[in-house]
Amino acid sequence: QSVLTQPPSVSAAPGQKVTISCSGSSPNIGSNLVSWYQQFPGTAPKLLMYDNSKRPSGISDRFSGSRSDTSATLDITGLQTGDEADYYCGTWDYSLDSVVFGGGTKLTVL
Amino acid sequence: EVQLVESGGGLVQPGGSLRLSCVASGFTFSTYWMSWVRQAPGKGLEWVANIKKDGSKIYYVDSVRGRFTISRDNAKNSLYLQMNSLRAEDTAVYYCARDHQGAGNYYTDVWGRGTTVTVSS
Repeated sequence: QSVLTQPPSVSAAPGQKVTISCSGSSPNIGSNLVSWYQQFPGTAPKLLMYDNSKRPSGISDRFSGSRSDTSATLDITGLQTGDEADYYCGTWDYSLDSVVFGGGTKLTVL
Repeated sequence: EVQLVESGGGLVQPGGSLRLSCVASGFTFSTYWMSWVRQAPGKGLEWVANIKKDGSKIYYVDSVRGRFTISRDNAKNSLYLQMNSLRAEDTAVYYCARDHQGAGNYYTDVWGRGTTVTVSS
């Protein structure tokens, strides 16, 4: 069981918008900034978002992030088939003194 | 080019040991926290441990504390993970990663390609 809770899967049609949620609690999301990672099968994860809503250089502005209280969300607009991947949220948990990740969400672009 | 290259994975029997290495290039290794993150077959990401720039602070996930030891050699731009008393549930791809860690802030912006550890008799 992951400390951060994500839906196992989400899906939407090309061109549409999808939202991936990440639910936590006070010691993690409630107190620390959230990052998001994109992972294609057989490859290493890639940083997609950091500090809740900042995009690293080279990441499309179709990706956006936010945090409210003990939850975070990743929005992807203008969905493309190339966005099909697994997405993970992560943050520091001060009660566990460790990094925690969500269980991951598989995005399918129908 | 910023790069992390892991090595040292392989097949080991339960109860055995293995030492993973990660060589960094393209950035000033000694100015970054570093992590090991693993991913069991078909499963999600699990953070294993991380270490401060100068090695003065170390954190572990509960499941490996007392069995695994993270260390670094800044002179060699290298990160290590000594894994003892290995169990079947330690089977995973192990990624070396560059961290940004501060008060209320954590993220990993550079990942290696990973090295595979299989614990089986």
